[in-house]
Amino acid sequence: GEDVEQSLFLSVREGDSSVINCTYTDSSSTYLYWYKQEPGAGLQLLTYIFSNMDMKQDQRLTVLLNKKDKHLSLRIADTQTGDSAIYFCAAQLYNFNKFYFGSGTKLNVKP
Amino acid sequence: KAGVTQTPRYLIKTRGQQVTLSCSPISGHRSVSWYQQTPGQGLQFLFEYFSETQRNKGNFPGRFSGRQFSNSRSEMNVSTLELGDSALYLCASSLDGKGNSPLHFGNGTRLTVT
Repeated sequence: GEDVEQSLFLSVREGDSSVINCTYTDSSSTYLYWYKQEPGAGLQLLTYIFSNMDMKQDQRLTVLLNKKDKHLSLRIADTQTGDSAIYFCAAQLYNFNKFYFGSGTKLNVKP
Repeated sequence: KAGVTQTPRYLIKTRGQQVTLSCSPISGHRSVSWYQQTPGQGLQFLFEYFSETQRNKGNFPGRFSGRQFSNSRSEMNVSTLELGDSALYLCASSLDGKGNSPLHFGNGTRLTVT
C-alpha cells in the first residue's frame, strides 16, 4: 500500500512563513490532502490538490506538488499563533475510498 | 449544513466491557469511515461503510465491528475492551468515497479503558 511520511515538528515565529513537507510512495495516488488538527478536535480539511496540478493557492495556503519526486508541501504565509496545530498529509488512490495518512507535523508558532 | 456528529464525546469503561460509538454523517454523504488515533500509532484505519455495506477494512481484530444504517448513520462497537483500546475514535464521512470526495471528520469520541 501507500506510505506517507512527514517530519514530526516545525517551529516558526509569528509572521514568518511555514513550510510543511510530505512524501508519498505510490505514484497512483491521485488526490493529496492537507488536514489540520487542533487539541481535542477532529481533523479539519484545509485544502487538497489533484495530481495533474503543480500548485494550488487558497488565501494564506499554498500547496506545491512535485509528482516526479512524490513530494507535497504546504506553505502557510504570515503564520499566526492560531495556526499552531498538527498538520496531516493524506494520499488517496483514484476511485478508492482508502486514505493514507502521514504521522502529522506539529507546528509550533512562537509569538 | 451540519458537520459530522459523534456521540458521546467521552467514555470511560473498564476492561472486559463493550462499547458502542455513534456517528451521524453530513447530510447527503453515503460513505462513513472510522479511524483510531493514538499518540504512538497515529491514525489507523478501522473500516469504511457505503450503502450499509462494509467496503474496506483495516487491520484490527474482530472485537472491532461496525454497521451502517439506511440513513447513513453508523455505529462502531468494541467488545471485550483492553487497556490498549484507549484512544480517540474518529468518524469521517464523504459523498461517495471516490476520488475528489474528501473525508470530513467529526470531533471524535475519547475512549478511556481502565
